[in-house]
Amino acid sequence: QKEVEQDPGPLSVPEGAIVSLNCTYSNSAFQYFMWYRQYSRKGPELLMYTYSSGNKEDGRFTAQVDKSSKYISLFIRDSQPSDSATYLCACAPVSSASKIIFGSGTRLSIRP
Amino acid sequence: DAMVIQNPRYQVTQFGKPVTLSCSQTLNHNVMYWYQQKSSQAPKLLFHYYDKDFNNEADTPDNFQSRRPNTSFCFLDIRSPGLGDAAMYLCATSRAGYYEQYFGPGTRLTVT
Repeated sequence: QKEVEQDPGPLSVPEGAIVSLNCTYSNSAFQYFMWYRQYSRKGPELLMYTYSSGNKEDGRFTAQVDKSSKYISLFIRDSQPSDSATYLCACAPVSSASKIIFGSGTRLSIRP
Repeated sequence: DAMVIQNPRYQVTQFGKPVTLSCSQTLNHNVMYWYQQKSSQAPKLLFHYYDKDFNNEADTPDNFQSRRPNTSFCFLDIRSPGLGDAAMYLCATSRAGYYEQYFGPGTRLTVT
């Protein structure tokens, strides 16, 4: 079993829709949770990170962590065609900032 | 703008012919990472440097080596590339103890 699981998609939604992207993880030691966006043939770009459980909002993006169910989510409101990319979740234990475990990514396509 | 730069963006090498990929950063971060990412897969950490201290992942093949001559530069050497080494190679940096990693655009390696 992979430590971080993510549905690969592809996920296709119309412009303006609310998008929900999700990951599950298995390691209870994970305390830091991150979302990266990766455009085709580019490096990942950090979107948001959260510590422990709870919500964090940044513009149209909301990250949510439920440690009791080991489930993390990224919501995108008012989705735009420019949001079309692969979204990678990532988790890390508090003991080691260098040991980030990435999910394999969900490919998202926003239809104009 | 502060950034992580990778050269070349695309590299073609022959089976068994050594190749070197380079990474430079203007962020002045003391941690530098090398990841391997195959198509539709999660980035896989190969090794990282904490300043000059080299940290190799247990499952990184001996075929992969790295050098960090100074804070700004880091190199990935593949001594005898095999067909299975064809991938995107990502360089990332972070400040020590921080979870946010900043990625370069990647080098796509093709092995013929």
